[in-house]
Amino acid sequence: DAGVTQSPTHLIKTRGQQVTLRCSPKSGHDTVSWYQQALGQGPQFIFQYYEEEERQRGNFPDRFSGHQFPNYSSELNVNALLLGDSALYLCASSSRAMASTDTQYFGPGTRLTVL
Amino acid sequence: AQSVTQLGSHVSVSEGALVLLRCNYSSSVPPYLFWYVQYPNQGLQLLLKYTSAATLVKGINGFEAEFKKSETSFHLTKPSAHMSDAAEYFCAVSTPGDTGFQKLVFGTGTRLLVSP
Repeated sequence: DAGVTQSPTHLIKTRGQQVTLRCSPKSGHDTVSWYQQALGQGPQFIFQYYEEEERQRGNFPDRFSGHQFPNYSSELNVNALLLGDSALYLCASSSRAMASTDTQYFGPGTRLTVL
Repeated sequence: AQSVTQLGSHVSVSEGALVLLRCNYSSSVPPYLFWYVQYPNQGLQLLLKYTSAATLVKGINGFEAEFKKSETSFHLTKPSAHMSDAAEYFCAVSTPGDTGFQKLVFGTGTRLLVSP
């Protein structure tokens, strides 16, 4: 049973560029959440997708946007990159059917470096 | 708003010693609480979770945690540390958003160092 997968593993961009990160959820999961983990910090919630719609959002600017596809996979897009966007981006999947006690399973993350 | 406080950014123990990692939460509603572990250059792995059933929760790798409502705590323990336990540990509280979907609010983490 494949777990949560993310691509790419590492990415280097320059300020002002745009980036797209990808996530495939664990088999049987239909909800995808994205988190940003800055160096030395705990993960911070960015947003969550279910049925191809953004269901809730954390305190992140509109430069951060996302998408969920019919097969439940998801993308995170960041426009106009800033140095402060350098972080590990984690994708987590869960099952809406178990929403009241859902466990979020995390992927290995994408390390984004903005120069 | 829910929040989590992890006391001690670093905890050092000797191999075979008791591990105690502290977590206190703030929540206006009954919380769900989680402990995750992160090894270097990896994602987060669930150790255990509390979802209002038994207050003493047993997880993987010999870890357990006890939910104490009166103390708003959910400390993580392991009777005997192993070298392979060296990692970053995160406590998280699950908070339903306006839509009813759960999201995780994490603490700042505690790095566990295990010496021979």
